[in-house]
Amino acid sequence: ETGVTQTPRHLVMGMTNKKSLKCEQHLGHNAMYWYKQSAKKPLELMFVYNFKEQTENNSVPSRFSPECPNSSHLFLHLHTLQPEDSALYLCASSDVVIGEAFFGQGTRLTVV
Amino acid sequence: AQKVTQAQTEISVVEKEDVTLDCVYETRDTTYYLFWYKQPPSGELVFLIRRNSFDEQNEISGRYSWNFQKSTSSFNFTITASQVVDSAVYFCALSEAQQGGSEKLVFGKGTKLTVNP
Repeated sequence: ETGVTQTPRHLVMGMTNKKSLKCEQHLGHNAMYWYKQSAKKPLELMFVYNFKEQTENNSVPSRFSPECPNSSHLFLHLHTLQPEDSALYLCASSDVVIGEAFFGQGTRLTVV
Repeated sequence: AQKVTQAQTEISVVEKEDVTLDCVYETRDTTYYLFWYKQPPSGELVFLIRRNSFDEQNEISGRYSWNFQKSTSSFNFTITASQVVDSAVYFCALSEAQQGGSEKLVFGKGTKLTVNP
C-alpha cells in the first residue's frame, strides 16, 4: 500500500459510544495531522504531531483524544461525542523538510 | 491572523472552457506557503501545488496554471480546456513557515467546480 490510509471510511456512533479512527501513512513522513471538515465550515486543523510528539492542539474539546504511537500511525479516540461533531475527519502526513501534506480519504463520522 | 478567501462558492462551465478559481490570502508573515488541493467526490484531498512566498514565478503544469501575485495577495488557479474529470471542490490553503517543518494549513471554504459535457 502507498499513501495515507484511513479506517473506517464510514462510522455511525451514539453519543455514549467510544470509538477510534485510525490513520496509517506509508510515505516515510515524520509529521501527521488531523483535520475536521464540516458541512458549513472550512477545513479545520485539530492536531499536529512531529516525530510522534504533539505540537499543536487547536482548542479541540477533550472528547477528542489523539494518539501517535509511531511516525506511521495516528489515532483519534472518540468518546461522548455530540451530533455537531458529525463531519469528515481527514488525516494527513508530511515530510518536515519537503513540506506538502498528503491526505487520506477521510472517515465520514455521524453521531446520532 | 491568517485567512484565505475563495469568493466563488460554485462555478459551472461547459467542457473545453477555461476556468479561473480565485484565491486571496491574508498573513503578516514574510515567509509563507500557498497550496491548492483538489477534493473529488471520493473525499481525499489531492495535492496540486505548493508555492513559497519568495517565488512569484507563475507555474504551468499541463492544463493547470497558477498566477501568484504578492501585490494583490492572490494565488489564482486556471484550468485550460476543462474536462468533466476536473469536477471537484478546489481548496486554496496557506501555511506559515514552521519550526521543525510541519505545516499548519489554513484553508479557504473551497470552490465547487462542475464541468458539464
